[in-house]
Amino acid sequence: QVHLEESGGGVVQPGRSLRLSCAASGFTLSSHGVHWVRQAPGKGLEWVAFISQDGNNKYYVDSVKGRFTLSRDNSKNTVSLQINNLRVDDTAIYSCAQDLGNYMDVWGQGTTVTVSS
Amino acid sequence: QSALTQPASVSGSPGQSITISCTGTSSDVGGDEYVSWYQQYPGKAPKLVIYDVIDRPPGVSYRFSGSKSGNTASLTISGLQAEDEAEYYCFSYRSDRTWVFGGGTKLTVL
Repeated sequence: QVHLEESGGGVVQPGRSLRLSCAASGFTLSSHGVHWVRQAPGKGLEWVAFISQDGNNKYYVDSVKGRFTLSRDNSKNTVSLQINNLRVDDTAIYSCAQDLGNYMDVWGQGTTVTVSS
Repeated sequence: QSALTQPASVSGSPGQSITISCTGTSSDVGGDEYVSWYQQYPGKAPKLVIYDVIDRPPGVSYRFSGSKSGNTASLTISGLQAEDEAEYYCFSYRSDRTWVFGGGTKLTVL
């Protein structure tokens, strides 16, 4: 069964950093690009970032450019999202999803990031 | 990078049809055929119901259909059922190599 699982969330103070991970099971994540999507409490879905299959192409929503960095380790079937200089408005559930050509198929359940002083 | 525009809510009675619109620009919705739709229940991960404007993934009911005209894409659900009550989001590729969601539409089955 294909499955994505995120980890690394937590409660952190503004300005601190977190590293989120997305691990795949049941399929080879290295065959696909991966999106990260977040959902703030009571709000809608927001596309955050994308990393291509080979890791050479990375794209980010303007509000996170310079603070969020994507990477992937295809040997471990994982993708990571490094989040620096966290802000209160970064508080959300962060989910990774498999790209199948500008749309997302397999989704994880998400990991919660709470930024609070 | 503004979100695509969707109505905040729509409603319909069982058996009826409803349509949810998703309006963007020529740089996203109108620019190519990369519009998809997702259904989300509270506390659950989104589920793909339409991709590439009109295509339906295996296992998704034939009652779900998609279309597009100019800068506006639409999701139609026919023969409404109680289980269709959920939040629906459109999603589009943009010409600047980013992607964007719509604001979401809450579907209520009366």
